[in-house]
Amino acid sequence: GAGVSQTPSNKVTEKGKYVELRCDPISGHTALYWYRQSLGQGPEFLIYFQGTGAADDSGLPNDRFFAVRPEGSVSTLKIQRTERGDSAVYLCASSMSSGSSYNEQFFGPGTRLTVL
Amino acid sequence: AQSVTQLGSHVSVSEGALVLLRCNYSSSVPPYLFWYVQYPNQGLQLLLKYTTGATLVKGINGFEAEFKKSETSFHLTKPSAHMSDAAEYFCAVSDPNNDMRFGAGTRLTVKP
Repeated sequence: GAGVSQTPSNKVTEKGKYVELRCDPISGHTALYWYRQSLGQGPEFLIYFQGTGAADDSGLPNDRFFAVRPEGSVSTLKIQRTERGDSAVYLCASSMSSGSSYNEQFFGPGTRLTVL
Repeated sequence: AQSVTQLGSHVSVSEGALVLLRCNYSSSVPPYLFWYVQYPNQGLQLLLKYTTGATLVKGINGFEAEFKKSETSFHLTKPSAHMSDAAEYFCAVSDPNNDMRFGAGTRLTVKP
């Protein structure tokens, strides 16, 4: 079946602009995660959703970053007033659920964001 | 909160030699532990995982890792390196809510 998909695969924008990054999780997966991977670094947790609600948004770096998942499926990561330091690969993952047992996270290919 | 430390940002081995990538974790609850591999310009691929049960886990491509609670370690090994093993490797720790944290990564180079 289809895996996690992310669009666009590449996004180039100018400093100060607004961007939206989309994640389509695996069908039926209730948990969805966003990570940011800067060059030469490991993925950094941003936020995760259980259903429509953000269960943990402690990784969002500041209030320029926001994510939604209005229908409990597709999620959009929104970045306002982009800065050059926001340049990174943004990864999305989904899993069957979060909770008291292990559920593997499946990763998408990422969106490479470049802020000029 | 949980965290992971990977010792050595770069490891270089000769083809056929032992691969050892080190990972230590910190967690206030029984951890789930993972190793992921990332090839250039590709996504993360799960190599192996420890959740419960046997502490020595085997993964794909001949890799294995052992969960040692007393040492808070989850080192990744492979008896004989292959050129195709050259990649970036990430150790990760998760709590039972699947709240996952990654290490900074170790780049493995395999010399002919």
